[in-house]
Amino acid sequence: EVQLVESGGGLVQPGGSLRLSCAASGITFSRYWMSWVRQAPGKGLEWVANINQDGSEKYYVDSVKGRFTLSRDNAKNSLYLQMNSLRAEDTAVYYCATIEGYAFDIWGQGTMVTVSS
Amino acid sequence: QSALTQPASVSGSPGQSITISCTGTSTDVGGYNYVSWYQQHPGKAPKLMIFDVSSRPSGVSNRFSGSKSGNTASLTISGLQAEDEADYYCNSYTSSSTLAVFGGGTKLTVL
Repeated sequence: EVQLVESGGGLVQPGGSLRLSCAASGITFSRYWMSWVRQAPGKGLEWVANINQDGSEKYYVDSVKGRFTLSRDNAKNSLYLQMNSLRAEDTAVYYCATIEGYAFDIWGQGTMVTVSS
Repeated sequence: QSALTQPASVSGSPGQSITISCTGTSTDVGGYNYVSWYQQHPGKAPKLMIFDVSSRPSGVSNRFSGSKSGNTASLTISGLQAEDEADYYCNSYTSSSTLAVFGGGTKLTVL
């Protein structure tokens, strides 16, 4: 069964850090570009970051540049998002997704990040 | 404010057809054939319904179709069914530093 499972979300104070993980199964993980997409409560989808197959190319939305770092471990079929200097506006459900062409193909169930004091 | 503009809501009766528009600019929708559409039911992850403007992934009903004219892409759902009631989001590749932009989402109500 093809599956992406996110973990690592939770409640964190403004200025704090969290590391999200996304574990892939049922796919050849190393073949895929991967992405994080977030959705603030009651709001729409927002692309956050992309990483290529070997981790040598990374792209971020302007609002997280310098604060978030994307990485992957193909041996562990895992994707990571290190989030530092978190702000209230980063509060959202974070989804990992495979990229096929220019579309977000397979999605995880999401992990909730709440930034609040 | 989202980069791509979608109507906030649309509605239709079972069996009818509806169309959801997605308007961008020449740097995204108008410039590339890389528009995709996603269906999201409440509390669930989005699901890819259309990619590359008009292609359907395996397993997606042929009641869903996509098209594009100029800077506006469209998703048409024919033969509306109750289970089609959901939020729908468009997405496009963009030549800006953002790389990928979503529409604000459209809530489809099946009357």
